[in-house]
Amino acid sequence: EPEVTQTPSHQVTQMGQEVILRCVPISNHLYFYWYRQILGQKVEFLVSFYNNEISEKSEIFDDQFSVERPDGSNFTLKIRSTKLEDSAMYFCASSYRGAEKLFFGSGTQLSVL
Amino acid sequence: AQTVTQSQPEMSVQEAETVTLSCTYDTSESDYYLFWYKQPPSRQMILVIRQEAYKQQNATENRFSVNFQKAAKSFSLKISDSQLGDAAMYFCAYISGSARQLTFGSGTQLTVLP
Repeated sequence: EPEVTQTPSHQVTQMGQEVILRCVPISNHLYFYWYRQILGQKVEFLVSFYNNEISEKSEIFDDQFSVERPDGSNFTLKIRSTKLEDSAMYFCASSYRGAEKLFFGSGTQLSVL
Repeated sequence: AQTVTQSQPEMSVQEAETVTLSCTYDTSESDYYLFWYKQPPSRQMILVIRQEAYKQQNATENRFSVNFQKAAKSFSLKISDSQLGDAAMYFCAYISGSARQLTFGSGTQLTVLP
């Protein structure tokens, strides 16, 4: 069964450093998403991406965040200058037709020290 | 704004018994979808079941079924014949037909007792 793949599974970084989280969505999917979950809290929407542009973003997704689909298969989330409060599990998701059926990756646990 | 409320932070059930997890939501939309996701200790998000608001029939997936009460804006998950592998955090989630983002509840931690 096709799946969304995220790398790395764990990322440790120093505060102020840039990180890039990588995702390979399911190959025929058209919509891509990033969500995050701070430990013990609910899952929160960050951004959705369709047709090579951001279609929606949350208040969390400020200028420190950016997304890119550089080569037609990868979908990346960049955090320019990480803060302690960016420590969370980051989930990539994709869907073929809107958000009626999202497939989530297994997540990247980001720890900012 | 849409909100999803799960009023039970923790639930427990004996193996082979039935348990119901509650979820209510608030929306002014008529076209939307509701979901239950399971998050085991690995923290992967696994879709358990999905319900389209326009369908009156409750969705079922093997041992999992929902009780969708549209007028009451209630969407509960029933797990029958509970198994040890069902132990996980369960999240209720909502999306409207026009939106591009899921709104999640705060989750219910389910423990299955042997």
